[in-house]
Formats: sequence, structure tokens, C-alpha cells
Amino acid sequence: GENVEQHPSTLSVQEGDSAVIKCTYSDSASNYFPWYKQELGKRPQLIIDIRSNVGEKKDQRIAVTLNKTAKHFSLHITETQPEDSAVYFCAASKSNTGKLIFGQGTTLQVKP
Amino acid sequence: EAGVAQSPRYKIIEKRQSVAFWCNPISGHATLYWYQQILGQGPKLLIQFQNNGVVDDSQLPKDRFSAERLKGVDSTLKIQPAKLEDSAVYLCASSSFNEKLFFGSGTQLSVL
Repeated sequence: GENVEQHPSTLSVQEGDSAVIKCTYSDSASNYFPWYKQELGKRPQLIIDIRSNVGEKKDQRIAVTLNKTAKHFSLHITETQPEDSAVYFCAASKSNTGKLIFGQGTTLQVKP
Repeated sequence: EAGVAQSPRYKIIEKRQSVAFWCNPISGHATLYWYQQILGQGPKLLIQFQNNGVVDDSQLPKDRFSAERLKGVDSTLKIQPAKLEDSAVYLCASSSFNEKLFFGSGTQLSVL
């Protein structure tokens, strides 16, 4: 069935460093790839997304890259800040269904 | 713009009891989702509605879980009878025409 694998499960960086989280997906028909940030006890919040007709998308300190051939996509956070500390989830879906399949999550800790 | 509303925020019950969760999606969003998020894992789709019709309930444990969205707006998710393994956060999300998903704050269920 459809599956999304996410790595690493935990990531610790120093403030100001970059952080990279990687995901792979199994369904080649997937064409929409959002990333959610979830702080402890709060709702998942959409931070950036990318569609399969685009290879890269950037929004200030956050960027996402997509390699359709290899079926993997990555989240890049530059100049990390303590407030970036949270659990990050990648997901994949086919736009005609809207059903998101989530990765297992990455706990990012940014040390001041 | 009001977000996705869920209630209750927390619920503690004993195994074999029944429980119901309520969700009010963002106004105008035709698609509504119920996700189950077990501690330390990514959200897993239980059921997806398009207006008041079920689009996908393939991962809903139908022997104990039920959901409805009678008028195509609010939705309720019920568990009867609850098991220990149902302890999780139940997240409701909505989207417009299968686009970006917005999540509610969730109901944290503890089954003792």
C-alpha cells in the first residue's frame, strides 16, 4: 500500500545551523507533498508544500526539494532558531483524492 | 477566518465505554477528514467525507468506530466500545476541493 518513510526520527542542531529532513514515498502517482510542523500539544500546521510539476520551492528560511524519479523529497531549514524546535511531518497525496499519507515524524531540537 | 473546531479537548474513559467527538470544519470546506495520531507517530487517516458522502473509510475499524456528516458540515466520530489501544489524539481536518488540509486542535483520548 501507500507508504511514506521519514528520516531522521530525531535531529539536534545548534542555533544558526541548517537542518535537513528527508522523506521517500512509494506511490508514483503521488503529486502533492506538504510539510507540517507540530508543537507539543498543538495542531499540525502547514508550513510549506510542493507539487510534482515543481522541483524546488522556497519560503524565507524554509525550502523543499522534490526528486520525482527517486521518489523522495526533503525539507531544508536554514539559520535555525529555537522556535523552530518541534516535530515535523512530511506527507504525500494524489491531488484527486486529498488523502494525505504521513511520515513518522522528525523531532527537531534547536539548541541556543 | 475561523479554523477547524473540535470538542472536547480531552476525554478520559474506561475500556468498553463509549465516546464521541465533534468537529466543525472551516466554512465552505467540502472535504472533512478524521485522523488518529498515536503518540510518537504521524496521523493516520480513519475516514474522509466529501460533503455528506464517505470517500474513504478503508482504515476505519468498523466493528467499533463510526462517523457521520449528515448535513455536509459538522461531523461526529464515535467509538463503541473503546479499547486501550484507542488512546490517541483524534484530529479533524478540512479542505476545499482536496487542496491544503487544515487541522483542528484535536481531542486527546485516554482509555484506562
